[in-house]
Amino acid sequence: SSVLTQPPSVSVAPGKTASITCGGNNIVSDSVHWYQQKPGQAPVLVIFYGSDRPSGIPERFSGSNSENTATLTISRVVGGDEGDYYCQVWDSHSDQWVFGGGTKLTVL
Amino acid sequence: QIQLVQSGAEVTKPRSSVKVSCKASEGSFSKVRINWVRQAPGQGLEWMGNIFPLLNEIKYDQTFQGRITITADSSTTTVYMELRSLTPDDTAVYFCAANYYDASGSSPFDFWGQGTLVTASS
Repeated sequence: SSVLTQPPSVSVAPGKTASITCGGNNIVSDSVHWYQQKPGQAPVLVIFYGSDRPSGIPERFSGSNSENTATLTISRVVGGDEGDYYCQVWDSHSDQWVFGGGTKLTVL
Repeated sequence: QIQLVQSGAEVTKPRSSVKVSCKASEGSFSKVRINWVRQAPGQGLEWMGNIFPLLNEIKYDQTFQGRITITADSSTTTVYMELRSLTPDDTAVYFCAANYYDASGSSPFDFWGQGTLVTASS
């Protein structure tokens, strides 16, 4: 099945831009979903199908893609953006969902 | 909006089984797949399997094949996940999550339960 690779951690100063990557062979970036998880809470969907944003998610959150890599970008980062971020894809070859290992975002 | 309410925490012995429930909003069974995702302490998310209750379509992750059973009771709109032959490595928070049914199976997990802590310890 697919393997999704994320950096374990990303640090960013308040007001700056954070970028979190998700890489994998044969990744179809417009099928990537992104979740934010804060300690003790269930994950929350922040980007779906690569670049779509659910209602209620700030416009500061955006998604993009390039060959074999999807990127979650958070602009004008605030302290409330701290948490773990996971990418997810559906592997149609093995009929399984796959999550990336997660990236811990720290706001300095 | 679909709400998912899970059963309470469980403490089990190694080599035993655990069954966790996830009650979905009325009317949701015809619209969504219910997935099970677990998270060991300090670790990432791991998909275990899912069910589309309307058609009783079930998929399991290869990692858990043979050890997991997912079922649905349409009369109570409740999905169950049973995991057998537990080891301490199965200690984790188990989430149910719903995604709208589509042919591709790739729609995002829009709704999540609150999580159920399962502890497998002697």
